[in-house]
Amino acid sequence: GQNIDQPTEMTATEGAIVQINCTYQTSGFNGLFWYQQHAGEAPTFLSYNVLDGLEEKGRFSSFLSRSKGYSYLLLKELQMKDSASYLCAVRVVNDYKLSFGAGTTVTVRA
Amino acid sequence: EADIYQTPRYLVIGTGKKITLECSQTMGHDKMYWYQQDPGMELHLIHYSYGVNSTEKGDLSSESTVSRIRTEHFPLTLESARPSHTSQYLCASSSHEQYFGPGTRLTVT
Repeated sequence: GQNIDQPTEMTATEGAIVQINCTYQTSGFNGLFWYQQHAGEAPTFLSYNVLDGLEEKGRFSSFLSRSKGYSYLLLKELQMKDSASYLCAVRVVNDYKLSFGAGTTVTVRA
Repeated sequence: EADIYQTPRYLVIGTGKKITLECSQTMGHDKMYWYQQDPGMELHLIHYSYGVNSTEKGDLSSESTVSRIRTEHFPLTLESARPSHTSQYLCASSSHEQYFGPGTRLTVT
C-alpha cells in the first residue's frame, strides 16, 4: 500500500487559517483527494489534485507537489463548523481504490 | 448531491445472526466500495467492485461477503455476526471521486 502521513490533531481559533499537511510514498501516483468527515458522519469530498499546484475552492485550497510527495489542505477564515477530521487519500494508476491516511482532527475554538 | 443510500442506519443484533447491509446508488457508477470504520479511527477498505459480477477483497481482512448482481446495488452480508463485527460500515461509489453513503452503525451483542 501507500504510506500516507498526516498530523493527528490540530487546534486553531475561529477566523484563523490552518494548514494540514499530507505526505505520501507511492509508485504510480494518479491523484490525491481531500475529504472532510464530521464525527459520526460519512466523509464528504473536498478537493482533488493530480498536477502540481494550487486548487482553490472558496475558503478551502489544496496544494500538490508530486516531486516531494506532499500535499496540504488550507482552511481559511475558520468557522466552528469546520471542526472535523480531514482525510488525505491517494490513488495510483490502473486502480480506482483510494488509500486513506488516518486523518487529522481539527478543532476550532472560539 | 450524491445519491447513495444505506439501510439500516442502525442495527443492534445478537451473536450468531445473519445480517445483510444494503447499499444502493442511483448515479450509475460502476465502482462501489465497502469500508469499515471504528469511532475516531481510520477507514479500512474491506470490499470493492468495478462492475456487475466483479467483487474483490480489500486491504482489511473481513468475514463479510458481498455481491454485485446489479450496477446500483452492492449488499454486504455477515453469515454469523460476532461482537468483533461491531463497527460502522460505509458504502461508497465513484466515477471519479468517491461518494459515501450515510453508513450503518452495527452493534453485535
